[in-house]
Amino acid sequence: KQEVTQIPAALSVPEGENLVLNCSFTDSAIYNLQWFRQDPGKGLTSLLLIQSSQREQTSGRLNASLDKSSGRSTLYIAASQPGDSATYLCAARGGSYIPTFGRGTSLIVHP
Amino acid sequence: DTGVSQNPRHKITKRGQNVTFRCDPISEHNRLYWYRQTLGQGPEFLTYFQNEAQLEKSRLLSDRFSAERPKGSFSTLEIQRTEQGDSAMYLCASSSEGSTDTQYFGPGTRLTVL
Repeated sequence: KQEVTQIPAALSVPEGENLVLNCSFTDSAIYNLQWFRQDPGKGLTSLLLIQSSQREQTSGRLNASLDKSSGRSTLYIAASQPGDSATYLCAARGGSYIPTFGRGTSLIVHP
Repeated sequence: DTGVSQNPRHKITKRGQNVTFRCDPISEHNRLYWYRQTLGQGPEFLTYFQNEAQLEKSRLLSDRFSAERPKGSFSTLEIQRTEQGDSAMYLCASSSEGSTDTQYFGPGTRLTVL
């Protein structure tokens, strides 16, 4: 059974810092890994998706990497802003297409 | 196309009542997923449709839960004889087979069982 762990559970940083959020998964036979952002009481917004054959994806200030052999993915946020404050979730999808989510990292960026 | 929509956005019901939620996916998406999320947790998978076929169902989904996608478009999730433990956010997502298969989520339905 796939298990996904996200570290840290919570993070508070001043504006402008570069951040790394970690996601680890126990079964390396994944189809893809997707990062999401969730604002309080809202649905999830897709940020980046990395296919199993890829090593990284970039969108604006966000960069996500994938290392299947070690069972890890990282989300790098450059030059953080208060508007980045949210919970960040990763989901690893196996061959059955069923995603397993981590519990998320709650991020606060203060001015 | 305005994305995935869910109705209602909020539902308050008394224990023992039946509730039904609706999800309208992005129109060209053939895959549809239902999840349940409680405070401080990531979404938990409930069930998955490809077109009108229900291909996967979590063992978390008791006999009181049923989902349909009759024409491969919108989907409904029904909970019978609700219990206080059913209180949660119910999320729907859709994706398109092929390409990147990125999941797009709706805003969710917040269920409170009194």
